[in-house]
Amino acid sequence: NAGVTQTPKFRILKIGQSMTLQCTQDMNHNYMYWYRQDPGMGLKLIYYSVGAGITDKGEVPNGYNVSRSTTEDFPLRLELAAPSQTSVYFCASSYPGTPSGTEAFFGQGTRLTVV
Amino acid sequence: EDKVVQSPLSLVVHEGDTVTLNCSYEVTNFRSLLWYKQEKKAPTFLFMLTSSGIEKKSGRLSSILDKKELFSILNITATQTGDSAVYLCAVIYGGATNKLIFGTGTLLAVQP
Repeated sequence: NAGVTQTPKFRILKIGQSMTLQCTQDMNHNYMYWYRQDPGMGLKLIYYSVGAGITDKGEVPNGYNVSRSTTEDFPLRLELAAPSQTSVYFCASSYPGTPSGTEAFFGQGTRLTVV
Repeated sequence: EDKVVQSPLSLVVHEGDTVTLNCSYEVTNFRSLLWYKQEKKAPTFLFMLTSSGIEKKSGRLSSILDKKELFSILNITATQTGDSAVYLCAVIYGGATNKLIFGTGTLLAVQP
Protein backbone atom coordinates (compact mmCIF):
# COMPACT_ATOMS: atom_id res chain seq x y z
CA ASN A 1 0.00 0.00 0.00
CA ALA A 2 1.28 3.46 -0.90
CA GLY A 3 -0.24 5.24 2.13
CA VAL A 4 0.73 8.94 2.21
CA THR A 5 3.01 10.07 -0.60
CA GLN A 6 4.86 13.37 -0.63
CA THR A 7 6.80 14.95 -3.46
CA PRO A 8 9.45 16.17 -3.84
CA LYS A 9 11.71 14.64 -1.18
CA PHE A 10 14.21 17.52 -1.36
CA ARG A 11 14.08 21.03 -2.75
CA ILE A 12 16.23 24.15 -2.69
CA LEU A 13 14.45 27.45 -3.32
CA LYS A 14 15.73 30.96 -3.70
CA ILE A 15 14.21 33.72 -1.59
CA GLY A 16 11.01 34.98 -3.19
CA GLN A 17 10.38 31.89 -5.31
CA SER A 18 7.19 29.89 -4.97
CA MET A 19 6.49 26.19 -5.01
CA THR A 20 3.89 23.57 -4.20
CA LEU A 21 4.52 20.56 -2.00
CA GLN A 22 2.39 17.69 -3.14
CA CYS A 23 0.65 15.21 -0.84
CA THR A 24 -1.66 12.37 -1.80
CA GLN A 25 -3.13 9.50 0.17
CA ASP A 26 -4.87 6.37 -1.02
CA MET A 27 -6.55 5.35 2.24
CA ASN A 28 -9.73 7.40 1.71
CA HIS A 29 -8.99 9.37 4.88
CA ASN A 30 -11.14 12.42 5.59
CA TYR A 31 -8.57 14.29 7.64
CA MET A 32 -5.30 15.59 6.28
CA TYR A 33 -2.61 17.73 7.88
CA TRP A 34 0.54 19.64 7.03
CA TYR A 35 3.28 19.98 9.64
CA ARG A 36 6.71 21.53 9.67
CA GLN A 37 9.56 20.32 11.82
CA ASP A 38 12.52 22.55 12.54
CA PRO A 39 15.81 21.06 13.83
CA GLY A 40 15.48 19.81 17.39
CA MET A 41 11.83 20.74 17.51
CA GLY A 42 8.51 18.95 17.43
CA LEU A 43 5.95 19.16 14.67
CA LYS A 44 4.05 22.40 14.22
CA LEU A 45 0.64 22.26 12.53
CA ILE A 46 0.44 24.54 9.49
CA TYR A 47 -2.97 23.71 8.00
CA TYR A 48 -5.44 20.89 8.23
CA SER A 49 -8.53 19.69 6.41
CA VAL A 50 -11.50 17.63 7.55
CA GLY A 51 -12.67 16.83 4.05
CA ALA A 52 -12.76 17.97 0.44
CA GLY A 53 -13.45 21.68 0.21
CA ILE A 54 -12.77 22.36 3.91
CA THR A 55 -9.49 23.68 5.26
CA ASP A 56 -8.45 25.54 8.40
CA LYS A 57 -5.38 27.17 9.87
CA GLY A 58 -3.15 25.49 12.38
CA GLU A 59 -0.51 26.98 14.68
CA VAL A 60 1.83 28.46 12.02
CA PRO A 61 -0.13 29.22 8.80
CA ASN A 62 1.56 32.49 7.77
CA GLY A 63 3.33 32.25 4.41
CA TYR A 64 1.43 29.13 3.32
CA ASN A 65 -1.77 28.24 1.52
CA VAL A 66 -3.61 24.98 0.98
CA SER A 67 -6.49 23.59 -1.02
CA ARG A 68 -8.44 20.35 -0.83
CA SER A 69 -10.35 19.74 -4.05
CA THR A 70 -10.38 15.95 -3.65
CA THR A 71 -10.25 13.51 -0.74
CA GLU A 72 -6.89 12.20 -1.92
CA ASP A 73 -4.86 15.39 -2.46
CA PHE A 74 -3.80 18.16 -0.10
CA PRO A 75 -1.12 20.39 -1.69
CA LEU A 76 0.76 23.04 0.32
CA ARG A 77 1.71 26.24 -1.46
CA LEU A 78 4.57 28.59 -0.55
CA GLU A 79 4.09 31.87 -2.38
CA LEU A 80 7.18 33.93 -1.46
CA ALA A 81 9.78 31.67 0.04
CA ALA A 82 11.73 33.03 3.00
CA PRO A 83 14.72 31.56 4.88
CA SER A 84 12.44 31.07 7.90
CA GLN A 85 10.57 28.45 5.87
CA THR A 86 13.62 26.20 5.73
CA SER A 87 12.33 23.07 7.42
CA VAL A 88 11.18 19.50 6.95
CA TYR A 89 7.55 19.30 5.94
CA PHE A 90 5.34 16.33 6.75
CA CYS A 91 1.92 15.55 5.38
CA ALA A 92 -0.33 13.22 7.37
CA SER A 93 -3.81 11.76 7.17
CA SER A 94 -6.31 10.07 9.47
CA TYR A 95 -9.90 8.92 9.50
CA PRO A 96 -12.71 9.70 11.96
CA GLY A 97 -12.89 6.17 13.40
CA THR A 98 -14.13 6.48 16.96
CA PRO A 99 -15.08 9.68 18.84
CA SER A 100 -11.57 9.51 20.35
CA GLY A 101 -10.00 9.84 16.93
CA THR A 102 -7.38 7.64 15.31
CA GLU A 103 -3.65 7.75 14.73
CA ALA A 104 -2.29 9.82 11.87
CA PHE A 105 -0.25 8.25 9.09
CA PHE A 106 2.70 10.25 7.83
CA GLY A 107 4.42 10.73 4.54
CA GLN A 108 8.21 10.52 4.34
CA GLY A 109 8.71 14.27 4.42
CA THR A 110 10.03 17.02 2.17
CA ARG A 111 13.28 18.72 3.15
CA LEU A 112 13.10 22.33 1.95
CA THR A 113 15.96 24.79 2.05
CA VAL A 114 15.46 28.46 1.19
CA VAL A 115 18.63 30.36 0.31
CA GLU B 1 -3.53 28.38 24.27
CA ASP B 2 -3.60 24.67 23.49
CA LYS B 3 -0.26 23.03 24.17
CA VAL B 4 1.59 19.77 24.71
CA VAL B 5 4.80 19.79 26.76
CA GLN B 6 7.32 16.97 26.92
CA SER B 7 10.17 16.37 29.34
CA PRO B 8 13.02 15.89 29.43
CA LEU B 9 14.06 17.45 26.11
CA SER B 10 16.91 14.98 25.82
CA LEU B 11 18.21 11.97 27.67
CA VAL B 12 21.33 9.81 27.46
CA VAL B 13 21.27 6.35 29.00
CA HIS B 14 23.18 3.07 28.75
CA GLU B 15 21.84 -0.14 27.34
CA GLY B 16 19.76 -2.00 29.88
CA ASP B 17 18.58 1.12 31.67
CA THR B 18 14.89 1.93 32.16
CA VAL B 19 13.63 5.33 31.05
CA THR B 20 10.47 7.31 31.67
CA LEU B 21 9.37 10.02 29.27
CA ASN B 22 6.78 12.58 30.29
CA CYS B 23 4.03 14.39 28.41
CA SER B 24 1.60 16.96 29.83
CA TYR B 25 -1.14 18.75 27.95
CA GLU B 26 -3.59 21.62 28.12
CA VAL B 27 -6.18 21.48 25.37
CA THR B 28 -9.86 22.16 24.85
CA ASN B 29 -12.03 19.08 24.46
CA PHE B 30 -9.37 16.39 24.83
CA ARG B 31 -10.08 13.20 22.89
CA SER B 32 -6.96 11.04 22.98
CA LEU B 33 -3.19 11.05 23.39
CA LEU B 34 -0.73 9.39 21.04
CA TRP B 35 2.93 8.43 21.23
CA TYR B 36 5.16 8.27 18.16
CA LYS B 37 8.77 7.24 17.58
CA GLN B 38 10.79 9.21 15.03
CA GLU B 39 14.08 7.93 13.64
CA LYS B 40 15.30 10.54 11.16
CA LYS B 41 12.27 10.19 8.92
CA ALA B 42 8.52 10.06 9.40
CA PRO B 43 7.06 9.42 12.87
CA THR B 44 5.82 5.89 13.43
CA PHE B 45 2.86 5.20 15.67
CA LEU B 46 3.36 3.53 19.06
CA PHE B 47 0.28 3.93 21.25
CA MET B 48 -3.06 5.65 21.46
CA LEU B 49 -4.49 6.32 24.93
CA THR B 50 -8.05 7.42 25.62
CA SER B 51 -8.86 6.25 29.14
CA SER B 52 -7.14 7.00 32.44
CA GLY B 53 -5.26 4.27 34.25
CA ILE B 54 -5.29 1.67 31.49
CA GLU B 55 -1.76 0.70 30.51
CA LYS B 56 -0.92 0.05 26.89
CA LYS B 57 2.00 -2.30 26.41
CA SER B 58 4.07 -3.45 23.46
CA GLY B 59 7.17 -5.46 24.25
CA ARG B 60 9.49 -3.32 26.37
CA LEU B 61 7.41 -0.19 25.85
CA SER B 62 4.41 0.78 27.93
CA SER B 63 2.35 3.90 28.43
CA ILE B 64 -0.39 5.20 30.67
CA LEU B 65 -2.64 8.24 30.74
CA ASP B 66 -3.90 10.33 33.69
CA LYS B 67 -6.78 12.49 32.48
CA LYS B 68 -7.28 14.10 35.87
CA GLU B 69 -3.70 15.39 36.07
CA LEU B 70 -3.46 15.83 32.28
CA PHE B 71 -0.32 13.84 31.61
CA SER B 72 1.02 10.62 30.20
CA ILE B 73 4.24 8.66 30.60
CA LEU B 74 6.06 6.37 28.22
CA ASN B 75 8.29 3.74 29.82
CA ILE B 76 11.01 1.80 28.06
CA THR B 77 12.62 -1.04 29.99
CA ALA B 78 15.92 -2.79 29.20
CA THR B 79 16.78 -0.13 26.62
CA GLN B 80 18.68 -1.06 23.47
CA THR B 81 20.65 1.09 21.03
CA GLY B 82 17.77 0.65 18.57
CA ASP B 83 15.55 2.61 20.93
CA SER B 84 17.57 5.75 20.17
CA ALA B 85 15.12 8.17 18.57
CA VAL B 86 12.93 11.19 19.17
CA TYR B 87 9.75 10.26 21.01
CA LEU B 88 6.82 12.49 20.21
CA CYS B 89 3.65 12.96 22.20
CA ALA B 90 0.54 14.25 20.43
CA VAL B 91 -3.03 15.05 21.45
CA ILE B 92 -6.21 14.81 19.40
CA TYR B 93 -8.62 17.49 20.53
CA GLY B 94 -11.44 19.74 19.39
CA GLY B 95 -14.95 18.98 18.21
CA ALA B 96 -15.38 17.55 14.76
CA THR B 97 -12.04 18.86 13.55
CA ASN B 98 -9.79 16.08 14.85
CA LYS B 99 -6.92 18.52 15.36
CA LEU B 100 -3.65 16.85 16.24
CA ILE B 101 -1.03 18.86 18.13
CA PHE B 102 2.48 17.66 18.99
CA GLY B 103 4.93 18.32 21.78
CA THR B 104 8.57 19.20 21.10
CA GLY B 105 9.69 15.61 21.59
CA THR B 106 12.27 13.88 23.78
CA LEU B 107 15.56 12.90 22.17
CA LEU B 108 16.68 9.57 23.62
CA ALA B 109 20.22 8.34 23.06
CA VAL B 110 21.05 4.83 24.23
CA GLN B 111 24.76 4.15 24.48
CA PRO B 112 26.24 0.63 24.27
